[in-house]
Amino acid sequence: NAGVTQTPKFQVLKTGQSMTLQCAQDMNHEYMSWYRQDPGMGLRLIHYSVGAGITDQGEVPNGYNVSRSTTEDFPLRLLSAAPSQTSVYFCASSLKTGPIEQYFGPGTRLTVT
Amino acid sequence: AQRVTQPEKLLSVFKGAPVELKCNYSYSGSPELFWYVQYSRQRLQLLLRHISRESIKGFTADLNKGETSFHLKKPFAQEEDSAMYYCALSGTSGSRLTFGEGTQLTVNP
Repeated sequence: NAGVTQTPKFQVLKTGQSMTLQCAQDMNHEYMSWYRQDPGMGLRLIHYSVGAGITDQGEVPNGYNVSRSTTEDFPLRLLSAAPSQTSVYFCASSLKTGPIEQYFGPGTRLTVT
Repeated sequence: AQRVTQPEKLLSVFKGAPVELKCNYSYSGSPELFWYVQYSRQRLQLLLRHISRESIKGFTADLNKGETSFHLKKPFAQEEDSAMYYCALSGTSGSRLTFGEGTQLTVNP
């Protein structure tokens, strides 16, 4: 199993551009989520999904969209990139909801100039 | 609302010394607490969870509901323990994890 994969590893955008961060998992996990990691602020939940066709907002959803058309994929879309969205983005998945281990992807480092 | 606080952004100890990474939480129900670790150039991974009451790589953590704390301890730190450590809380509402700010541990030779 590849686990949780993310592409791209690095990305530089100009302010106002849009892009999609890809996340996929091959563990048949129902729960998937996106976090951003910023120095001194830990990981903050952006959006999450408890199953295909179901998504919900996390702590910092503004400026981001998600969809979950399949169990495997959970892309994160930046609609109009801003410098405040410069961060490292992590996708995570777990078998189901509940207080169980989440498996993380390797991260995408995004810089918005 | 649930909140996790890690008061130390940076912690530096010498090899063989005891280490304690502090974690305090705020949650009105019964929390599930976790420690995640991120070694250099590696992805975030689970270190231990309080419900398992286990020791992983020599680390232990005890949930103290009276003090609302879940400090991570190791009696003799090793250089390979150098990493970023995150305390995380999951409430009874589901898998949503709330992370603390993280503590960068450096173990010096």
